[in-house]
Amino acid sequence: EPEVTQTPSHQVTQMGQEVILRCVPISNHLYFYWYRQILGQKVEFLVSFYNNEISEKSEIFDDQFSVERPDGSNFTLKIRSTKLEDSAMYFCASSEGTGLKETQYFGPGTRLLVL
Amino acid sequence: AQTVTQSQPEMSVQEAETVTLSCTYDTSESNYYLFWYKQPPSRQMILVIRQEAYKQQNATENRFSVNFQKAAKSFSLKISDSQLGDTAMYFCAFMKLTSGTYKYIFGTGTRLKVLA
Repeated sequence: EPEVTQTPSHQVTQMGQEVILRCVPISNHLYFYWYRQILGQKVEFLVSFYNNEISEKSEIFDDQFSVERPDGSNFTLKIRSTKLEDSAMYFCASSEGTGLKETQYFGPGTRLLVL
Repeated sequence: AQTVTQSQPEMSVQEAETVTLSCTYDTSESNYYLFWYKQPPSRQMILVIRQEAYKQQNATENRFSVNFQKAAKSFSLKISDSQLGDTAMYFCAFMKLTSGTYKYIFGTGTRLKVLA
């Protein structure tokens, strides 16, 4: 069964550094998402992406964050200047389309630790 | 604003027994979807079951079933014949349908431990 994959599984970085988290969505999916889960807290929506542009973003997704689909398969989340509070598990998800097909399939996550 | 509440942070159940996880939500929407996701210790969230709000019949998926009470805005998950592999964090999620974008709003999760 096709799966969403994410790399790396763990990332440790220094505060102020840039990080890029990578995701490979399921191949026939058209909608892509990033969520994050701070340790012990609920999963929070960050951004949705469709047709090479952001569809919706949350208040968490400020100017330090950006997303892109550089090559038609990867879907990346970039944090330009990481802060301590960016430490979290970041989940990528994808979905095929609308209606019953709108179930989002999640990747295994990238655990980001900002020191 | 839509919110999802899971009032049981942790639960345990004996293997082969039945357990019910509760979830309530708040929305002014009339059409939406509800989901239960399972997040095992390996971290990846897996869809357990989903329910469309305009369907009266409760969804069932093998040992997993829901009790969907639309008027009460309640969406509980029942796991029958619990197995050790059911040990995981369970998230209830509400999906809002809008014209161009879809997103989940998750509850805080219930950590379920199945005891041998």
